[in-house]
Amino acid sequence: GNSVTQMEGPVTLSEEAFLTINCTYTATGYPSLFWYVQYPGEGLQLLLKATKADDKGSNKGFEATYRKETTSFHLEKGSVQVSDSAVYFCALSDPSEDSSYKLIFGSGTRLLVRP
Amino acid sequence: ETGVTQTPRHLVMGMTNKKSLKCEQHLGHNAMYWYKQSAKKPLELMFVYSLEERVENNSVPSRFSPECPNSSHLFLHLHTLQPEDSALYLCASSQAQTSLYEQYFGPGTRLTVT
Repeated sequence: GNSVTQMEGPVTLSEEAFLTINCTYTATGYPSLFWYVQYPGEGLQLLLKATKADDKGSNKGFEATYRKETTSFHLEKGSVQVSDSAVYFCALSDPSEDSSYKLIFGSGTRLLVRP
Repeated sequence: ETGVTQTPRHLVMGMTNKKSLKCEQHLGHNAMYWYKQSAKKPLELMFVYSLEERVENNSVPSRFSPECPNSSHLFLHLHTLQPEDSALYLCASSQAQTSLYEQYFGPGTRLTVT
């Protein structure tokens, strides 16, 4: 079955540090991949997405590249800010599945950025 | 602002009460979802409606009863809840039958059962 594995948090960084949050997946077909972010007290927001191998999703300085050979979709940002403190969720949807409407989420990684 | 609204944002209820959570989407989507988010547990998909028909019910106790009167509105009716039902309840919507099932979430209802 399909699944998503994320690195456990919390990840604690100083402002302007480089961020990587690892995400790997297993899928039977050719999934679409997503990163969602949840700020304190809010719902999940779509941060970026990629639909096929070698696609790079980017938004607000964050990037992730769909790597089929390593089944990974790691989230990166070159210089984090305090306002980036949130929980980040990696997710996939598999169009080849009958339940393709379903998003499979990772367990989330909490990021804390200190001034 | 994602185009998905939820009311109320916070709800405290006793175990014998009956209440309802409401979700409305303004995105023209035709699929809607209820999720439960508890502390230190993965996001749990509860119900899915696609084209106003329930297509998934993940072994959710009958004290949770969803209703989808049209493609823009989704309700979750609650009765005789337990303290372990305290959680953040998230609604989401998407455009079904496309190749990209990105979902858009509301801000959630923080439910406390006393």
